[in-house]
Amino acid sequence: EVQLVESGGGLVQPGRSLRLSCAASGFTFDDYAMHWVRQAPGKGLEWVSGISWNSGSIGYADSVKGRFTISRDNAKNSLYLQMNSLRAEDTALYYCAKDPAHGVAVYYFDYWGQGTLVTVSS
Amino acid sequence: EIVMTQSPATLSVSPGERATLSCRASQSVSSNLAWYQQKPGQAPRLLIYGASTRATGIPARFSGSGSGTEFTLTISSLQSEDFAVYYCQQYNNWPLTFGPGTKVDIK
Repeated sequence: EVQLVESGGGLVQPGRSLRLSCAASGFTFDDYAMHWVRQAPGKGLEWVSGISWNSGSIGYADSVKGRFTISRDNAKNSLYLQMNSLRAEDTALYYCAKDPAHGVAVYYFDYWGQGTLVTVSS
Repeated sequence: EIVMTQSPATLSVSPGERATLSCRASQSVSSNLAWYQQKPGQAPRLLIYGASTRATGIPARFSGSGSGTEFTLTISSLQSEDFAVYYCQQYNNWPLTFGPGTKVDIK
């Protein structure tokens, strides 16, 4: 059974940093691209970032480019999101999501974690 | 960036009735469109990809159609468990973008 478990969220002041983690199990992690998708309270879904199986291809939403960094450790079956210079508008539930295609990514999401909440406030 | 719009924002439907949800892209996304269902307090669930292919385990009452810029999700006979918010997502271009969602509620 595919499981994605996010962690690392919490309350942080504007301008500070936070690192999110996603622990994956139930599939061969290093065969699949992975993504972060966020959802502000009461709002819709926003793709944040994605990374290919070998970290060779990485993309970001314009809203986080230059501030967030996605990475993965295939040996640890883990996905990360380093978030710097956080703003109030980054407040959201952050989901880790799996790409369904083996090898070459297709860029939609077949499995999602339950999310970790990030609150940016002074 | 490709902008996705969805209509209506809210759709009130009686159980057993048909629901038709629309999604429009600001430029062609070919058939690179997915639909998701999200219930309160839950993560989204993939329903449809490739505009018309049902994901694993999705009931046949869910169907998708369209290509280019105009897409439709149809729920042929609404069940109680189908009342939720539905999002479309294009994956033809980065950045990947979602529509704002259509809430299907009980009439």
